[in-house]
Amino acid sequence: AQSVTQLGSHVSVSEGALVLLRCNYSSSVPPYLFWYVQYPNQGLQLLLKYTTGATLVKGINGFEAEFKKSETSFHLTKPSAHMSDAAEYFCAVSDHGSARQLTFGSGTQLTVLP
Amino acid sequence: DVKVTQSSRYLVKRTGEKVFLECVQDMDHENMFWYRQDPGLGLRLIYFSYDVKMKEKGDIPEGYSVSREKKERFSLILESASTNQTSMYLCASSPSGQGHNQPQHFGDGTRLSIL
Repeated sequence: AQSVTQLGSHVSVSEGALVLLRCNYSSSVPPYLFWYVQYPNQGLQLLLKYTTGATLVKGINGFEAEFKKSETSFHLTKPSAHMSDAAEYFCAVSDHGSARQLTFGSGTQLTVLP
Repeated sequence: DVKVTQSSRYLVKRTGEKVFLECVQDMDHENMFWYRQDPGLGLRLIYFSYDVKMKEKGDIPEGYSVSREKKERFSLILESASTNQTSMYLCASSPSGQGHNQPQHFGDGTRLSIL
């Protein structure tokens, strides 16, 4: 069974500051890892994904995430927060097994302060 | 661009009613999913389907059923709605690619209230 833990249900940063959203996973097999963003009253939009290869993954809107196998982590970062980054962020994991579904974390609400 | 369309953005129903939530995707994806989203719990998988007329239970299937008669359409059915089924419901689809690294594409959600 796989699981995802997102540390911090709410994170606040000032505009222009570093954004760091934490995600740890457990999986018995090598995982596929995803970050999604949800703006108010909308569905989820893919930010980035890790499958194989380079462990530093770049996504849309200036976000990136690094897969660290030894730490079972996939933290999301952005060097400089913008007001438009305010949203809820979800980390998700899928394994290489027969199942096609994703397991999601409980989400982190990001607030950007002016 | 992939388009996943959910038939209603907001829906209000009464307890005991049979409720249908419809989802249509336009990218010929094999896989389709229904989730419910509740504050602090993230997304929980209700049912998914990887082919027409095929369905698999997710983590919380109790009180729900699904129908997939056509590839592009996946319906979620609340057989007898109860107040604890008040939630945001999200539909998603994905292609069957190599392994399971294909991202899921989401609709905008249906906010369902059961009174």
